[in-house]
Amino acid sequence: GAVVSQHPSWVICKSGTSVKIECRSLDFQATTMFWYRQFPKQSLMLMATSNEGSKATYEQGVEKDKFLINHASLTLSTLTVTSAHPEDSSFYICSATDPTGGELFFGSGTQLSVL
Amino acid sequence: GEDVEQSLFLSVREGDSSVINCTYTDSSSTYLYWYKQEPGAGLQLLTYIFSNMDMKQDQRLTVLLNKKDKHLSLRIADTQTGDSAIYFCAFSPGGYQKVTFGTGTKLQVIP
Repeated sequence: GAVVSQHPSWVICKSGTSVKIECRSLDFQATTMFWYRQFPKQSLMLMATSNEGSKATYEQGVEKDKFLINHASLTLSTLTVTSAHPEDSSFYICSATDPTGGELFFGSGTQLSVL
Repeated sequence: GEDVEQSLFLSVREGDSSVINCTYTDSSSTYLYWYKQEPGAGLQLLTYIFSNMDMKQDQRLTVLLNKKDKHLSLRIADTQTGDSAIYFCAFSPGGYQKVTFGTGTKLQVIP
């Protein structure tokens, strides 16, 4: 079946540095990918919709200059957390819709810890 | 927007059936999903149902949709310890539309 690959699985960084997370659709082309954030023991919150070849659409309250999204190809979207701070520590998950069947598949997630 | 609620916790004995419930408010969703999340991992798609269906069975999993009551449930037959995880229901108008998640139900399976 369709697979979405997310990398890295976990990352620890110092406060003030930037971190890039990659999301790849392996078996299908995804014109649209989604980025979610999950705090401990909470549900997923949509951060932004990543559109191939155009600007991402951010949800209310999400800083677009802090969470940079690039969807340069039909199989790759990246989320860069710029100038990360401890409050950015969270679990980030991407997803993509398989255009063939319409199912929504998720990456394995990235646990970000900012020291 | 869609409001989705789930009970937070469910405990069952190994071998029993588990029923995880989900209520929603928006009737326009076309895709209704069930995802499983194990600790520290991403979401695994378990199954999904279209809004024009009432039931879908896939091996040990049975999804029931009551559109009148806006109620979606996931039944896991012969629950195993490996089924212990958090289960999320999720809704989407379909296609490339964003997905709204329930709050998640933590299933604990007692040996």
